Amino acid sequence: EDQVTQSPEALRLQEGESSSLNCSYTVSGLRGLFWYRQDPGKGPEFLFTLYSAGEEKEKERLKATLTKKESFLHITAPKPEDSATYLCAVQAEYNNNDMRFGAGTRLTVKP
Amino acid sequence: NAGVTQTPKFRILKIGQSMTLQCTQDMNHNYMYWYRQDPGMGLKLIYYSVGAGITDKGEVPNGYNVSRSTTEDFPLRLELAAPSQTSVYFCASSPGGSGNQPQHFGDGTRLSIL
Repeated sequence: EDQVTQSPEALRLQEGESSSLNCSYTVSGLRGLFWYRQDPGKGPEFLFTLYSAGEEKEKERLKATLTKKESFLHITAPKPEDSATYLCAVQAEYNNNDMRFGAGTRLTVKP
Repeated sequence: NAGVTQTPKFRILKIGQSMTLQCTQDMNHNYMYWYRQDPGMGLKLIYYSVGAGITDKGEVPNGYNVSRSTTEDFPLRLELAAPSQTSVYFCASSPGGSGNQPQHFGDGTRLSIL
């Protein structure tokens, strides 16, 4: 069965303190791995799609990387406005109608 | 463009009552989805649709029904509300086709069953 595990559950950083969020996955053939940001009371907002091991994508202070078993979301010099829950999801090759989501990492950046 | 719009934003139901959660999108997306999000859990797929008149079950369909009569609208029906259906419900849409298009989400309906 496809599974997605995110760690840590919660992360508190000081402004400017870089760190990484982990997404470990098990899927029978990866079609795509997705990162979303979710603010309190809002729906998930799309950040990145990664398709194959070795791929990297960047957006402002965020960089997502992918291996055959996990993805990392690196946050460089975070600011308080980066505080949110970050969700990871995978889509399998055999099923393009379903995404399996992890439980998310709740990031708090203190000024 | 409004994107994906969900109504209502909040609702309290009594056990056994019925209601319909509304979802509409203005992006002309073929694919639409309903998820539920419970504390500490990932989003779980309830139902999805690949086009008007076509719907299928997701991971957790029991207790829910859907219909898709137009491209824009994808309502979710709860027939006999139970406390286990207390959750936050998200509707999403995507262009579909290749299957690796990101989904665009609404801001959710927070539902409590008492």
